Amino acid sequence: DADVTQTPRNRITKTGKRIMLECSQTKGHDRMYWYRQDPGLGLRLIYYSFDVKDINKGEISDGYSVSRQAQAKFSLSLESAIPNQTALYFCATGGGGGLRNEQFFGPGTRLTVL
Amino acid sequence: GNSVTQMEGPVTLSEEAFLTINCTYTATGYPSLFWYVQYPGEGLQLLLKATKADDKGSNKGFEATYRKETTSFHLEKGSVQVSDSAVYFCATQPSNTGKLIFGQGTTLQVKP
Repeated sequence: DADVTQTPRNRITKTGKRIMLECSQTKGHDRMYWYRQDPGLGLRLIYYSFDVKDINKGEISDGYSVSRQAQAKFSLSLESAIPNQTALYFCATGGGGGLRNEQFFGPGTRLTVL
Repeated sequence: GNSVTQMEGPVTLSEEAFLTINCTYTATGYPSLFWYVQYPGEGLQLLLKATKADDKGSNKGFEATYRKETTSFHLEKGSVQVSDSAVYFCATQPSNTGKLIFGQGTTLQVKP
């Protein structure tokens, strides 16, 4: 079974709709992240959380919100989706005792906003 | 600020050719450096990492050396295979931030 899972894997929605992307992990890591990937831009950080009571904005948080429901769950919401939020979204976890350690990524959610 | 610059792709090579993908970074302090690989339709997987100057990360025939004097972390492989075709991302994690900063990615296409 995958350590980091994301649902849904694909979603097509319309402008103005509210969308939630969910992420779950079985790695026991405290840190969780949401990124978006756009062609030619790499991955950009949307939000991150270092533990259940900690939420931080990344470099492109406008138009997004998150909820850390438990150590293992971190959801990303688009309150009112717009076409330029069409992208590939990745959840990641980080842990292992140091902030220098790597992150582990889920398989991604492809979101299309029409 | 902190940033990562990778060579633009796509890079197209024949099987068994030598691969270099350049990566340079700007970061305060002593960052950790990473190469991630993304195969078609999949998420990112860690390929290798280095956490201090002069460290060499290696995995699956790929290598990269942390060069602080040139702020570089170039990815190399002596003989590529068709199965190495993927997008490669260089990333830096500035000291004690727990946050990765990615380059734009380099697409590698290996032809038989």
